Amino acid sequence: AQSVTQLDSQVPVFEEAPVELRCNYSSSVSVYLFWYVQYPNQGLQLLLKYLSGSTLVKGINGFEAEFNKSQTSFHLRKPSVHISDTAEYFCAVSDGGGSNYKLTFGKGTLLTVNP
Amino acid sequence: DSGVTQTPKHLITATGQRVTLRCSPRSGDLSVYWYQQSLDQGLQFLIQYYNGEERAKGNILERFSAQQFPDLHSELNLSSLELGDSALYFCASSQSGGLSYEQYFGPGTRLTVT
Repeated sequence: AQSVTQLDSQVPVFEEAPVELRCNYSSSVSVYLFWYVQYPNQGLQLLLKYLSGSTLVKGINGFEAEFNKSQTSFHLRKPSVHISDTAEYFCAVSDGGGSNYKLTFGKGTLLTVNP
Repeated sequence: DSGVTQTPKHLITATGQRVTLRCSPRSGDLSVYWYQQSLDQGLQFLIQYYNGEERAKGNILERFSAQQFPDLHSELNLSSLELGDSALYFCASSQSGGLSYEQYFGPGTRLTVT
């Protein structure tokens, strides 16, 4: 069975500081990894995804993540955050089996960017 | 705008009642997923339909059921509602087959059971 652990439930940072949101996963098969963002009172929006190939994945809004198979991690990073990045971030994993692309989500990390 | 629509946006009902949540997937997407987001359980996968057939089940209660119609829209039926069923219910859709694994989420339906 797949599982996702987001190591920090809340991350407060100052504007223009770098940030890393940590995600570890467990799965017995090949995985496909995703980061989603949820702004207050909105649905989820895909930030980036890893399916195969380069382990460094670039997404929208200046975010990137690195897939590390040996450490079973997929940490999300941004070199300089803005107030508008304040949101909840979810890491998710799918085993992509057949036509069943069920996503298993972590508990989420609330990123708060302070001026 | 993801292209996935959900109605209604908000729903307030009493315990013991039954409600139906509706989802229209993006044009061309064959798979529909339902998720529940609550404060205590987080985001949980409920059920997936692919081209009208149930494909995978997650943590869906027996009081809940879903279906996908020939026009590919989906409905999630929640019955004998309890206070603990209060949550945000998301629908997502994806283009199954090939290498497209991305799920596009709708804005959600907020269900409040009083």
